Amino acid sequence: DTAVSQTPKYLVTQMGNDKSIKCEQNLGHDTMYWYKQDSKKFLKIMFSYNNKELIINETVPNRFSPKSPDKAHLNLHINSLELGDSAVYFCASSQKGGRDGTGELFFGEGSRLTVL
Amino acid sequence: GDSVTQMEGPVTLSEEAFLTINCTYTATGYPSLFWYVQYPGEGLQLLLKATKADDKGSNKGFEATYRKETTSFHLEKGSVQVSDSAVYFCALKGTYKYIFGTGTRLKVLA
Repeated sequence: DTAVSQTPKYLVTQMGNDKSIKCEQNLGHDTMYWYKQDSKKFLKIMFSYNNKELIINETVPNRFSPKSPDKAHLNLHINSLELGDSAVYFCASSQKGGRDGTGELFFGEGSRLTVL
Repeated sequence: GDSVTQMEGPVTLSEEAFLTINCTYTATGYPSLFWYVQYPGEGLQLLLKATKADDKGSNKGFEATYRKETTSFHLEKGSVQVSDSAVYFCALKGTYKYIFGTGTRLKVLA
């Protein structure tokens, strides 16, 4: 039973299109995240949510809109896709994402987005 | 702000060689520290962690010690195998975010 699952695993689309990635965690964690990994493997946080509330928005263009319908789900919708959006997007979760937490981050398998 | 610096790769070693990948951090206080590994085409898996100063994390023959004096968390393994070929990331836990180093690619030759 996968702890953090995201779909789809691959997306190939044209510039200007809109796409969504869904993420679910069954670990009972209170904090969820979206990370972007570029072609050089650099990992950068995009968003974090705690108990469905947006906590961090790391200067991401507003074409990216996350939504957390409940603590176990965090989806990512991207409007008007651009070539530079091509990357691998990772969903992740942790317990006690705040200052008092010490635990690790659990990652999904990633969604590889290719914009043509 | 908080940051993690790890050595540039790629690192190429022969099987059974000794591995060190350096990692230093800048942070307020004493955050939890982690090493993650990413195999080709996969997500990131936790390799080991340390939550306070002088803790040693270990797993699968890998070790790292949380050194607050030198703000370091270097990864070591005494004898690498071909199957250890992957990208290794050092990370620290901030407030509602985890900050990662740039990753170090390790290639182990038979």
